[in-house]
Amino acid sequence: SQQGEEDPQALSIQEGENATMNCSYKTSINNLQWYRQNSGRGLVHLILIRSNEREKHSGRLRVTLDTSKKSSSLLITASRAADTASYFCATKNSGGGADGLTFGKGTHLIIQP
Amino acid sequence: NAGVMQNPRHLVRRRGQEARLRCSPMKGHSHVYWYRQLPEEGLKFMVYLQKENIIDESGMPKERFSAEFPKEGPSILRIQQVVRGDSAAYFCASSPRLGSAQETQYFGPGTRLLVL
Repeated sequence: SQQGEEDPQALSIQEGENATMNCSYKTSINNLQWYRQNSGRGLVHLILIRSNEREKHSGRLRVTLDTSKKSSSLLITASRAADTASYFCATKNSGGGADGLTFGKGTHLIIQP
Repeated sequence: NAGVMQNPRHLVRRRGQEARLRCSPMKGHSHVYWYRQLPEEGLKFMVYLQKENIIDESGMPKERFSAEFPKEGPSILRIQQVVRGDSAAYFCASSPRLGSAQETQYFGPGTRLLVL
């Protein structure tokens, strides 16, 4: 699997339910970020979690990070139709290497009204 | 405070032509990143620039692609002699500080390049 790989690739749930997306990565990281992308649009930054943090909340979002398993999860509670989008995790690698973020292919989330 | 601005939003070129994509970072940001997104894919890092300097171009194709961020004006991503495989969405992001591993990158709306 490639760095920053999300799972599942697609997720369809009913409005009001919780949505959980997972991300796995390979290298050591400084931080991990989650972004949302609506169809045909740019990316919107949702939340950043540092390598020394285990959990972070922002509104209806909850992110966890397990550096021993090299994985992260994004939980969206009480989903709304407006949450329909693609969600990407991105890692900032530590120890040199490229300065850019490394993105996965994303999870396509559909919230059915 | 305006966000990251990119223009044009859509660009159509024929094979062999040149494409110029522009990016104006957020006010107060002096670091610019360019990414490319193919359909149904995540973003791939291309290049990281500061004013008048290319810091990391490890993701840039070796030929036909170049980037600059002059002292005045926007950052430019230039693709010479475009081919159909260059068709993609190109995103620019900016961040405010040098050397901070924790900085969030703020993305523009992207330029969608279509090569006919």
